[in-house]
Parts: sequence; structure tokens; C-alpha cells
Amino acid sequence: DQQVKQNSPSLSVQEGRISILNCDYTNSMFDYFLWYKKYPAEGPTFLISISSIKDKNEDGRFTVFLNKSAKHLSLHIVPSQPGDSAVYFCAASADTGNQFYFGTGTSLTVIP
Amino acid sequence: KAGVTQTPRYLIKTRGQQVTLSCSPISGHRSVSWYQQTPGQGLQFLFEYFSETQRNKGNFPGRFSGRQFSNSRSEMNVSTLELGDSALYLCASSLDLSTGWMNTEAFFGQGTRLTVV
Repeated sequence: DQQVKQNSPSLSVQEGRISILNCDYTNSMFDYFLWYKKYPAEGPTFLISISSIKDKNEDGRFTVFLNKSAKHLSLHIVPSQPGDSAVYFCAASADTGNQFYFGTGTSLTVIP
Repeated sequence: KAGVTQTPRYLIKTRGQQVTLSCSPISGHRSVSWYQQTPGQGLQFLFEYFSETQRNKGNFPGRFSGRQFSNSRSEMNVSTLELGDSALYLCASSLDLSTGWMNTEAFFGQGTRLTVV
């Protein structure tokens, strides 16, 4: 039972434009959400997080939006750069234990 | 500072064998979690160890087990390997989640690619 879903397996965006990656979850107990970026042959690297007490968190070119009523979060990358091409995973946690539920990932390709 | 180190990087085993994977967390990190990544399934949580105790466990059969040592290094063991166990196994370490969500960022190793033939 996939509690965190990323319904778009892949996304292509032109360099300089906005990339929007989406994530849906089913468990209303989730209160902490993260985005990870993964290059081939490397482990995921932390990108940005958001607590359920917020609806937006920004870090440079990366912004995460959380819509709790819709159980939806999104990652915006503006402007997109070729180096952003990677697989992006969203993850959610319901408690203070390190048990994160991950989505299946979205492969982002930024076209120069 | 050194990141999370997983050994070996690649492993080929035959069905029925057992395997042990190792993870050295970032210095000072006491929480170690293990994940299995397979195509189309994302990262599936296996278990988490904190101060040598298993604190959380995912929905995997008992063939998957782990332990953590006093220096926070962790090992994961899979017995009676099946073809479906072929995957990338990732280890993640973090400081101490009991202090609140600000510390829940997990740092991942490069993973061990296990192939069962």
C-alpha cells in the first residue's frame, strides 16, 4: 500500500523555466515532509523539508508547498538548470522515529 | 566530515545464500535506518536502529534483520536470499529524532547493489 505517491514518473523542462514536481499522500497523520534528489550510482541527498505547521518553505531556487486539506505537496524549481536533472523523491513521516515513507520518484530532465 | 559509508558497493549472491551489509553512519549520528529500493517501488523502509535498539520496523519478512553496535555502525542481514531481494539497499543516518523535526534530516550512503542469481 503506497502511502506516498508520485504519479508522474518523468518530467522534461526547458532550462530557465519552472519545474513542478508533485506528490500526494494518504495518511493524515503525516506531519513532516522532505524532498530528496538522487543521481545515478549515488544515494539520495536531502533537498528541502516542510513541517505540517507551514504551507510553504523556500530555499534558494527550491520551494515546497504543502496543502494539508488536499494531502498534496509540490516542489517548485525556478529557474531550472541542467544540473537539476535527477530523480526526485518525496518522503513523509508520521512520528519522531526515522521511518519515512517514500514515493516512487520523478525523473526530471532539464533540457539546455 | 565523512558521509555515510556502505560496504560493499556491489554484491552478487545465489538463491538460498545469506548476505550481510554494513553501514557506518556520520560521526555523532545515533540513528541508522535501512531502505530497499527497487524499480517502480521507490524506497521501502526496512528498519531503524537507535542506540543499539530497533526502534521501528517496516513490513518485511523475518529473513531481513539488522543490528547496531555501540559505535552506531549497523549491519543488515538477509537470509535465504530470493531473486526478488535483488535491489539497492540504502542506509541513512541522522542525529536524534527525539529532539524534534528540525533534526530529522537523514543522510544517505551510496548504497549496496545486491544481485541475487
